[in-house]
Amino acid sequence: AQSVTQLGSHVSVSEGALVLLRCNYSSSVPPYLFWYVQYPNQGLQLLLKYTSAATLVKGINGFEAEFKKSETSFHLTKPSAHMSDAAEYFCAVTPNTGGFKTIFGAGTRLFVKA
Amino acid sequence: KAGVTQTPRYLIKTRGQQVTLSCSPISGHRSVSWYQQTPGQGLQFLFEYFSETQRNKGNFPGRFSGRQFSNSRSEMNVSTLELGDSALYLCASSLTSGGAADTQYFGPGTRLTVL
Repeated sequence: AQSVTQLGSHVSVSEGALVLLRCNYSSSVPPYLFWYVQYPNQGLQLLLKYTSAATLVKGINGFEAEFKKSETSFHLTKPSAHMSDAAEYFCAVTPNTGGFKTIFGAGTRLFVKA
Repeated sequence: KAGVTQTPRYLIKTRGQQVTLSCSPISGHRSVSWYQQTPGQGLQFLFEYFSETQRNKGNFPGRFSGRQFSNSRSEMNVSTLELGDSALYLCASSLTSGGAADTQYFGPGTRLTVL
């Protein structure tokens, strides 16, 4: 069965510092992978997605993620954190065979300190 | 192009009642998925509809049901409400059928509180 693990329910960084949010998945076949961001009292917004093209995926707001099959990881990074990046981030996986049910990780809340 | 809209945004019900939530997808999108978000369980998939047919279903009891209309608008119904049904219910629409790589566009959600 598919599963998604996000390491760290809370991550705190200083403004201008590197943001690294970790995501590992379990799947016998490389799935499609997504990162979403959720601001308070809002729905989810897609940051980026991996669909078996380039392994380094660039998204909106300066975020990017690298798909590493050998590590079954899809970590999200941003070189320099901004106060406006404070939000909850979700990694999600959709299998590319049958079902197509999207499974979300538990989420990581990012705090950005001034 | 207008985004996904959900109504109502907030709802308060009491145990035993039933509730219907509505979702209007982005124009042209034919797939609508529903999710339940709670602090304890996170985001959980409820079901997905495409062209008025339920295509996928999550592990929720039969009290949770849905439907999709010919204009792709979808409704979700929860009968015999329980305290544990208090959650943010999110609707997401996507363009095509069976596209695992499709981007899902989420609405702002309906916050349901069961007293």
